[in-house]
Amino acid sequence: EAAVTQSPRNKVTVTGGNVTLSCRQTNSHNYMYWYRQDTGHGLRLIHYSYGAGNLQIGDVPDGYKATRTTQEDFFLLLELASPSQTSLYFCASSDPDWKNTLYFGAGTRLSVL
Amino acid sequence: AQKVTQTQTSISVMEKTTVTMDCVYETQDSSYFLFWYKQTASGEIVFLIRQDSYKKENATVGHYSLNFQKPKSSIGLIITATQIEDSAVYFCAMREGYTGANTGKLTFGHGTILRVHP
Repeated sequence: EAAVTQSPRNKVTVTGGNVTLSCRQTNSHNYMYWYRQDTGHGLRLIHYSYGAGNLQIGDVPDGYKATRTTQEDFFLLLELASPSQTSLYFCASSDPDWKNTLYFGAGTRLSVL
Repeated sequence: AQKVTQTQTSISVMEKTTVTMDCVYETQDSSYFLFWYKQTASGEIVFLIRQDSYKKENATVGHYSLNFQKPKSSIGLIITATQIEDSAVYFCAMREGYTGANTGKLTFGHGTILRVHP
């Protein structure tokens, strides 16, 4: 079973603050993803990556940067956080074949005051 | 562009009955993959079942099965003999294509809340 660990689990920041969400997977998966979950919108893809140094733009990338430093680690950066970015954030990785079954982390709840 | 739509916001059923959750999708690709995920009350999201578009047989895993109707771009999730612990939010998702700009991208529907009553 894939292991995807997110940190922190909860974060509170103020408008304009800097936030970094971390994600680590330990099963040699190539693809990693950042999604946000909001009531009425389901899961929306922010950024994803298919390997160290690679970054692909998702469907709702505005206000977010991401960086994949190693195969294991994928970071989501909010450099000027806004209240609209208050959300539940999920990281996921996918299995090595091309069918992309996702394994999710436990989520990070972010509040921007 | 790929799109996934779940029209049922919530469904309530009695325990031990069968429930079907609907999902329709849009894609230009001839080959794609369809998934169902479950989010429990704790927030955990787990993979349930997958259908490969080139397979005619409906996928089945445990008491989950799919009703894949390719001409209608529809992939329904069927849960038989429902249990209280099946109460959760169910998401439909799609990945299209083998190569190109969207390789690896999964798009999710908004989810359907299932409530199973004793």
